[in-house]
Parts: sequence; structure tokens; C-alpha cells
Amino acid sequence: EPEVTQTPSHQVTQMGQEVILRCVPISNHLYFYWYRQILGQKVEFLVSFYNNEISEKSEIFDDQFSVERPDGSNFTLKIRSTKLEDSAMYFCASRDSRGAFFGQGTRLTVV
Amino acid sequence: AQSVTQPDIHITVSEGASLELRCNYSYGATPYLFWYVQSPGQGLQLLLKYFSGDTLVQGIKGFEAEFKRSQSSFNLRKPSVHWSDAAEYFCAVGGNRDDKIIFGKGTRLHILP
Repeated sequence: EPEVTQTPSHQVTQMGQEVILRCVPISNHLYFYWYRQILGQKVEFLVSFYNNEISEKSEIFDDQFSVERPDGSNFTLKIRSTKLEDSAMYFCASRDSRGAFFGQGTRLTVV
Repeated sequence: AQSVTQPDIHITVSEGASLELRCNYSYGATPYLFWYVQSPGQGLQLLLKYFSGDTLVQGIKGFEAEFKRSQSSFNLRKPSVHWSDAAEYFCAVGGNRDDKIIFGKGTRLHILP
């Protein structure tokens, strides 16, 4: 069964540092997403990506965030200058007609 | 505005008992509805989905859900729960194609032995 893979599974970074979270969506999927889940809270939409551009973003997705699909397979989320409140689980998802499939997440801890 | 309401934050049932988790949604167009399960520290696993057709959908792990348009509901059911079903369950709604998926706040299921 194809799956969405995310790396790393856990990242610890210092406040103010840049981080890049990586995702490999399911092959042949066309729609990609990033979500985050602060510990104990709901899963929040960050951004959707289609046809090599952002199709929608939430108010959480400010100028600190960016996404890229650099090589046709990877899908990355960059946070330029991390803040303590960016600590969360970040999920990547890709979608086709069967539904939206999520990766196992990257737990980001900002210290 | 799109929204999903899961009115029960916690639900406790005995092993072997039946289960129903409630979900109500608000969506301006034809909804695509999903249920996901999350074990502690883990990712989101798709249990089942409804796009169109038969309003009773079957999913993995013995779960089913019924779409009721008149009630804007998509409740999840299982006839007999197992201890391994203890997890957080999220209902979600979205549209087709690249439309974002919106999640409810989740229901944590506890199983009594």
C-alpha cells in the first residue's frame, strides 16, 4: 500500500533557526497539504498545493512559512525563523479520488 | 463557513460493547466526509470516507459510518469494540479536488476491560 512518508520523525531546533520538513507524497497524487497539530489540540490546516503553486493557505501560514516541490517528488515545508509556538506535530498529506492520506508526522520542538 | 463539530470530547465504552461517535458538519457544497484515527504519538489513519452513493459506508477495522444529509451528520459506528480501538478519532469535511479538509476537535475513545 503506497504511503506518504515524512522526515525527520522528530526535529529539535533553537528558536530563530530555520527548519525544513520533508514529505514524499504518494506517487501520482496531485494535491498536497500541510497541517499541524499542537499537542492535545485539533489538526489545523496550513496550506494546500496544486499544480506547483499554493491553492489555499490559512492565516497561520504567514510569511515565516513556505512550501516547495523542488524535484517533482519531495514536498517541503520551510519555517524561516522558528518560534516557541511553532512546536507541534506537522503532517503532510496527499490526495486523490480515494481520499486524503497523511504521513506519520514530524514532531517539531523549538527550544 | 466550513466546520466540523464532534460534541463528545471523551467516550468510554466496555470492550465488546457497541460504539457510536457523533459528527456534525457545515459545508456549503457537496461534502466529502472522512473519519481518521490517531493513536498516541502516531499519524492520522484514514478509516473511511463518503463521497457519494450509498450513505452507509464501510471502512477498515470493522468501522462504518452513515451520512445523513438532513441532519448534516456523519456518525461513526462499530458493533463491538476491541481494546486496540482506544485512540483519538477525528471527523473531517472537505470538497473535491484540492479543497482543504477541515477537522473536528476529535473524540478520545477509552475502552474498559
